[in-house]
Amino acid sequence: NAGVMQNPRHLVRRRGQEARLRCSPMKGHSHVYWYRQLPEEGLKFMVYLQKENIIDESGMPKERFSAEFPKEGPSILRIQQVVRGDSAAYFCASSPRGLPYNEQFFGPGTRLTVL
Amino acid sequence: QKEVEQNSGPLSVPEGAIASLNCTYSDRGSQSFFWYRQYSGKSPELIMFIYSNGDKEDGRFTAQLNKASQYVSLLIRDSQPSDSATYLCAVGDSSASKIIFGSGTRLSIRP
Repeated sequence: NAGVMQNPRHLVRRRGQEARLRCSPMKGHSHVYWYRQLPEEGLKFMVYLQKENIIDESGMPKERFSAEFPKEGPSILRIQQVVRGDSAAYFCASSPRGLPYNEQFFGPGTRLTVL
Repeated sequence: QKEVEQNSGPLSVPEGAIASLNCTYSDRGSQSFFWYRQYSGKSPELIMFIYSNGDKEDGRFTAQLNKASQYVSLLIRDSQPSDSATYLCAVGDSSASKIIFGSGTRLSIRP
């Protein structure tokens, strides 16, 4: 039973380029969450999605960031025109049901470096 | 602003002793509480969750919840060097849309 998968594991982009991060949830999980973690800091919630729907995007920056979870395929976190401040670890988590009783399981993360 | 507070540590505990990690939260309506362990450079790993007041035990781990005091703790018995990690407390937002993480407590088990 595969866990949450994320790819790529490491991504290097130059300022102004686009970054696409992918997340495949655990089998049977339809709830996906994206978090960002800066070095030596805690996890910051970004967005919560169910299949084809954004449930809560209160943690997403208003510009350049978007997320989707299509009916088929992985969830995508897209960062347009990346800046150095976007360098961080981006984690995806999935759960079989929504809050309040939802244990979230994390993928290995994507480490984004912006040059 | 809903908050989850943890002492950042480091908390140093001798091998074989009990490690006690604490967390307070501000959202009185929260119903779900989680403890994650994160090794340096790795992703968070769920180790305990608790939904009702009282204690919940799983192996060497015990989670304790006191909703009246808005306090949740994690006890690790017979601490091992492999328990050295950052422990993240996470609390379900009462708006039922997300989990809020504390900044974590660094635990170091000394041989």
